[in-house]
Parts: sequence; C-alpha cells; structure tokens
Amino acid sequence: GENVEQHPSTLSVQEGDSAVIKCTYSDSASNYFPWYKQELGKGPQLIIDIRSNVGEKKDQRIAVTLNKTAKHFSLHITETQPEDSAVYFCAARQLNSGGSNYKLTFGKGTLLTVNP
Amino acid sequence: DSGVTQTPKHLITATGQRVTLRCSPRSGDLSVYWYQQSLDQGLQFLIQYYNGEERAKGNILERFSAQQFPDLHSELNLSSLELGDSALYFCASSVGQGPMNTEAFFGQGTRLTVV
Repeated sequence: GENVEQHPSTLSVQEGDSAVIKCTYSDSASNYFPWYKQELGKGPQLIIDIRSNVGEKKDQRIAVTLNKTAKHFSLHITETQPEDSAVYFCAARQLNSGGSNYKLTFGKGTLLTVNP
Repeated sequence: DSGVTQTPKHLITATGQRVTLRCSPRSGDLSVYWYQQSLDQGLQFLIQYYNGEERAKGNILERFSAQQFPDLHSELNLSSLELGDSALYFCASSVGQGPMNTEAFFGQGTRLTVV
C-alpha cells in the first residue's frame, strides 16, 4: 500500500519568512495530492491540492509543487503570518476511475509555528 | 464552520464498553468518511459510505462498524473498547463518491477516551 513520509515534524519561522514542508510517497499509481491544515481543536481543512498532470499550483500565499519522477511534493507558504500556525498534513491518493482503492493516505504532520 | 457536525465532542468510557459516534454531513453531500487520529498512527482512513452503501474500507477493526442512514447521517459503532482505541474520530463529507471527490470538509471530531 501507499506510504507517505512528511518532513519536518516541527518547523518554526519568523513572521514574514517562508515555510516549506516536504512529502514523499511510495506508490507511483498515486496521482492526487491534497494538503490539509489542522488548527487546535478542529478537524483538518483542505487548503490546496494538486493532480499529477500538473507540476505546480498556487493560491495566493500557498503553493504546491510535485515531482512525479522523484515521487515527492512540497507545500510552500510565503509571507507567513501567526494565523498560519497549525499542523499541516500532506496526503496521497489514486484517482483511478471506477475503482474503490482511492483512500487518502496521510503523512504524520508538521507543526508549523510562526513567531510574531 | 465546515458544515459537518459530529456528536458528541467528548466521550469517556470504560474498557469493554460500546459507544456510538454520530456524523451529519454537509447539506447535499452524499459521501461520508470516517477517520481515526492518534498520536502514534496519525490520520487513518476507516470507512466510506455513499448514499447509504459502503464504498471503501480502510484500517477498520472488526470491533468497529458503521452505517449511513436514509437521511444521510452516519454512525460509527465501536465495541469491546480497549485503551488503544482512545483517539480523535473525524467524519468528513463530499458530494459524490468517485475518485474525483475529495474529503474537503471535516467535522470537529469526537475525542474518545477509554479508561
């Protein structure tokens, strides 16, 4: 089955700096990669996703890049703000049409702290 | 607010007991997903239902079962509880069932403590 490794487990940055979180996956059949943000006491919230036919996707201060050959993808947050402080999870899935084997496999999470 | 409602928020129970967790999906969503979150295992997919029928199964123990009712709410039943079942249980929903649908909306979770 799929295995997703996420690094680092904790990340502390100064407000205004950039933050990068990296994930690797094992199953070359995976072709959908979402990122979630989980704040204390809340459920995960989808913040951005990327499909394998795209190398990069950007949404305001958040971007995700995907390297299919190396089987890794990264989350980039620019101009970080204190409200970006949370746990971030990457995940991977197979978008096989008609199949049911498309469960999300999550990384273990990165605790991001943005210091004012 | 994600629109996904889970009850109760907290549950404390003894080993060997049985509990039921409830989830109401967002209005219009037909798929419900259950996840378990623990410190050692992280977020683990348990099971998915679509319009009342089981669609995908993950790492769900035989002591656990779920169902989705005609009004689309779902219940996760955990029986013969063990200390290791203590975790956060999340429900998520999406409009459809197919691979192009994503669990974009998670509830706030039920924190289960087994003592």
